[in-house]
This record gives sequence, structure tokens and C-alpha cells, in this order.
Amino acid sequence: IQLTQSPSSLSASVGDRVTITCRASQGISSYLAWYQQKPGKAPRLLIYAASTLQSGVPSRFSGSGSGTDFTLTISSLQPDDFATYYCQQLNNYPLTFGGGTKVEIK
Amino acid sequence: QVQLQESGPGLVKPSETLSLTCIVSGGSISSYYWSWIRQPPGKGLEWIGYIYYSGSTNYNPSLKSRVTISVDTSNNLFSLKVTSVTAADSAVYYCATLTGTNLMDVWGKGTTVTVSS
Repeated sequence: IQLTQSPSSLSASVGDRVTITCRASQGISSYLAWYQQKPGKAPRLLIYAASTLQSGVPSRFSGSGSGTDFTLTISSLQPDDFATYYCQQLNNYPLTFGGGTKVEIK
Repeated sequence: QVQLQESGPGLVKPSETLSLTCIVSGGSISSYYWSWIRQPPGKGLEWIGYIYYSGSTNYNPSLKSRVTISVDTSNNLFSLKVTSVTAADSAVYYCATLTGTNLMDVWGKGTTVTVSS
């Protein structure tokens, strides 16, 4: 299953609302996760089952969608949120990731 | 809380075998599935495969012919071998837990492997 993320990068300011989309090449119900990765660090699980926040993740992060179209929203971008975000499908093997969305400071 | 630490050579020659180990601490290797993921420089994430403590495995077809993942329950670790490596295998290699719902919720810090003569 191929996952296409858009945009591949974006520039935003602190306090902005940011939305990242992930489209699956076939339906995956709600079997989608989102990860955050900072330079030189391992990915961190943010959201699973499309919309369930992992323990310890700030509530400004939210996820939605099902089937083939999913979104990750950051309601008010904070300095700690500048990173690359990846979606991952959990439905079929091989497990696959989207190409990533880099969120940069405007 | 489970912690993972990858180890292995940082430099491998073309056509040779890449071998990495992931040491599991803070938990039993019998508690999860265990996965390997890699990330070439400046690129995205690629899932390599998983192993269960029983020894059952599942590999990414893109690498299946060259990859072996094994587990050592006595020493609470699991390992990755990739044969016949080329420059395209140069990457940061991560080990991670894999839940029953295919989430990778605990990751090692990663280890960089460069394939070069």
C-alpha cells in the first residue's frame, strides 16, 4: 500500500494551524499512525488508529480520516513542533510509510 | 519501560554482509514483536521486517532475499543481517517494538551504517 503525503514541506509560524494530509493507495479503514521525527533522532509515535493520541502527546495534535484520506492537524504550532512528520499504514504487510512532511519555521 | 540499543559496525564493504544487534532492556523479549526499520540519508523510512520471540518472521519483499532477522531469547536481543550490500543499503538502522496492531511505539536511537570500500 502506497502512502502519499502532502505537502512534502511547509513553512509556518508559531501559533499557526497546520494540516498535513496522507492518502493511501487503497482503503485501510482507520489503520493509520502518525510519527514525528526531529533531526538526528528516532521517530516518535504521535497518533494511532487515525485519531487516538499516544500517551504524553500534547492535545494540540489531532488526527482524522478513514478509508484512504487522513489528516494530521496541529492546532497552534509550537517551537517544539518543527520536525518531519510521517504517516504509516498498519493494515497490510509490508508496513509502509509516507514520504514525510517537513514543517519549517517561517 | 522497554529500551532498545542498536550496535554493529558503522562501515561495511560492498558485497559483504551487514550485521546489527538490538539489545532489549527493561522488559522481556517475549513481550512484543520486534522490528527493524531503516532510513537512507535525507530520505524517508523503510520497514525491513519483524520477528516474534518464537522465531516467526515477516520481511519486506523489497529486501526479503537478502535479509535475515533472528532472536536470542537467552540474551534478550534480536539481530539483523543484510547480505550482498551496496551503497543503497547505507542508512540509519533503527530497531523498534512492534505491537499487535503494527505500531512501532518504542525505538532505539539508531545506528548509522555506511557501505563503502
